[in-house]
Amino acid sequence: RKEVEQDPGPFNVPEGATVAFNCTYSNSASQSFFWYRQDCRKEPKLLMSVYSSGNEDGRFTAQLNRASQYISLLIRDSKLSDSATYLCVVTAYGGATNKLIFGTGTLLAVQP
Amino acid sequence: NAGVTQTPKFQVLKTGQSMTLQCAQDMNHNSMYWYRQDPGMGLRLIYYSASEGTTDKGEVPNGYNVSRLNKREFSLRLESAAPSQTSVYFCASSEVGPEQFFGPGTRLTVL
Repeated sequence: RKEVEQDPGPFNVPEGATVAFNCTYSNSASQSFFWYRQDCRKEPKLLMSVYSSGNEDGRFTAQLNRASQYISLLIRDSKLSDSATYLCVVTAYGGATNKLIFGTGTLLAVQP
Repeated sequence: NAGVTQTPKFQVLKTGQSMTLQCAQDMNHNSMYWYRQDPGMGLRLIYYSASEGTTDKGEVPNGYNVSRLNKREFSLRLESAAPSQTSVYFCASSEVGPEQFFGPGTRLTVL
C-alpha cells in the first residue's frame, strides 16, 4: 500500500466549477500535512498547509480528518490558471530532519 | 534571491557514463534534498542532508552519491548511469519547518 494515495484523475471541470480532491495516508504518526501544486514540467510549490481545524485561503479550503487519515482540498470558482497537478504531502519523521512523503498527484484541467 | 538553482536543465547520457548534478540555494537553509520524479511514482527521496557535513540515504539511494559541499551547495553524482535512472531530478531545501523549496529540475535521459 502506498503511504500517500490520491486519485490521479484527470479531473476535467468547466470554469467556475467547484472541485474536490481527496487523499489518504497510511502512517498515523504523521504530524504535518500539505497540498503542493505542480504545473506541467515545473517544480512543486507549496499551495497550503492542512490543519485539523481546517483552513481556507481564498478559493481554496483544506481539511484534515486524523481519525480517518484523510485529507481534502476544495477549489471553488475554478479558474483556467488552476489547471495543474495537486500533490498531497505528509511528513515522515526520522533522522535529523523532516522528510516529506508525496502522493503521485491529481491532475486538474479547467476547461473554458 | 534566486532561491534554489540547479544545473544542468537537461542532460542526455549513455549507459555507463558519469555525471554530477549541481544544486545551490541562497536562503541560508540548513537542510537540502534530492528527489527523482517518475510517471506514476511521485517524488521519491534519494538522499538528504540535514545540515552541512551530514548526508543520509532516502528511499531510493542505490546508484547515487551526494556531497554537501558547504551550506549552499548539495550535489548528486551518478557514477555509472543506467536507463533506469532516466528521470526528472529535483533539489530542494528547507529550514526548521517542513516546507521545502524546490529547484526547477534536471531532465536526465540515459540511453
